[in-house]
Amino acid sequence: QVQLVESGGGVVQPGRSLRLSCVVSGFSFNSYGMHWLRQAPGKGLEWVAVISYDGRVKYYADSVKGRFTISRDSSKNTLYLQMNSLRPEDKGVYYCAKEYTQIVVTWATDHRGHGTEVSVSS
Amino acid sequence: QSALTQPASVSGSPGQSITISCTGSSRDIGASNYVSWYQQYPGEAPKLVIYDVNRRPSGISNRFSASKSGSAASLTISGLQAEDEANYFCGSYTRGDTLVFGTGTMVTV
Repeated sequence: QVQLVESGGGVVQPGRSLRLSCVVSGFSFNSYGMHWLRQAPGKGLEWVAVISYDGRVKYYADSVKGRFTISRDSSKNTLYLQMNSLRPEDKGVYYCAKEYTQIVVTWATDHRGHGTEVSVSS
Repeated sequence: QSALTQPASVSGSPGQSITISCTGSSRDIGASNYVSWYQQYPGEAPKLVIYDVNRRPSGISNRFSASKSGSAASLTISGLQAEDEANYFCGSYTRGDTLVFGTGTMVTV
């Protein structure tokens, strides 16, 4: 079955970096766009970034543009989120999520992982 | 990008129909054919019930239907059942090539 497992979260100081990973299985990773989502404590779900099935197209939320980079490695069935210049407001649980449809990004997700927690504090 | 607005709660009796609204703007729902709806039980991952405004994924009951008018979308659950009691939230692509989610609606049966 479809599985997505995030890792790489932790506690970091403001201004530092973290790289999140999401290892997937149970579907053809090469055929689907992938998203990163996050949820801050007590807040609603927030979209962070998306990458196309082939890695050529990437879009970011305004709140992370210029600081975060989404990437993928098909040889490792792994999605990444490089987070630089972290701010306290980046705190939350980060989820990777699979696009519902193959190839085309329709901005709907049908599976996500259990998340990895990021805390930014001095 | 502000979150899409949904009512905090909606309730109905078994067998009835309910409708959940999702209000956005001309920059998101009003400009998008990519509106989706999710069902989420406490402690569980969300389940996609509608995509592309009104399309149901395989395996989703036809009791779930959705539509869009202007800058607002809606999800209707007909023949309400106890198992439909959950949190529902919408999502929409925006003109800025981003995705925005709704505030969520708790459905009580």
